[in-house]
Amino acid sequence: AQSVTQLGSHVSVSEGALVLLRCNYSSSVPPYLFWYVQYPNQGLQLLLKYTTGATLVKGINGFEAEFKKSETSFHLTKPSAHMSDAAEYFCAVNAGGTSYGKLTFGQGTILTVHP
Amino acid sequence: GAGVSQTPSNKVTEKGKYVELRCDPISGHTALYWYRQSLGQGPEFLIYFQGTGAADDSGLPNDRFFAVRPEGSVSTLKIQRTERGDSAVYLCASSSEPGRSWGTEAFFGQGTRLTVV
Repeated sequence: AQSVTQLGSHVSVSEGALVLLRCNYSSSVPPYLFWYVQYPNQGLQLLLKYTTGATLVKGINGFEAEFKKSETSFHLTKPSAHMSDAAEYFCAVNAGGTSYGKLTFGQGTILTVHP
Repeated sequence: GAGVSQTPSNKVTEKGKYVELRCDPISGHTALYWYRQSLGQGPEFLIYFQGTGAADDSGLPNDRFFAVRPEGSVSTLKIQRTERGDSAVYLCASSSEPGRSWGTEAFFGQGTRLTVV
């Protein structure tokens, strides 16, 4: 079984400040990890994913995340927040086995960006 | 279409009624998933289709929930004897999964907001 924990249901930053959204996972097999963003009244959009290879993954809109196996973490960062980054962010894990199409999501983190 | 399409976008129904939610995946995508997102929560997996068959239905909460994909494209999620606790946003996603490649991106629709009154 796998699980995802997102620390902090709400994160508030100033425009131009560092964005850090935390995600820790639990998986009995090597995980594939994802970050999705959900804007109001829109569907989930993939920001980035880690499958194999390089542990630092770059995504769209200047976001990146680093897979740290020893810490079972996959935190999302962006050096400088923009007002348009305000949205809800979900971390998810796909842990293999027979249900390879199945994602387990965290509870989400709402990011607010102040001018 | 260009993306995953879900209809209706909103559905209000009375407790005890039957509802059907439709998902039209991206053309050519063989894998289709249904998720349920309750208020303040992340999406929860319901069922996964590979082609016409349900490869994993372990997330369906009880036998009131059923889904079909008869021709391997459009899917319908069916809920019988709806309860107020079924109120949520129902999300559909599709992906192209040649072979059994892991971590293939799933493209999500905008969801159907179901309200049971």
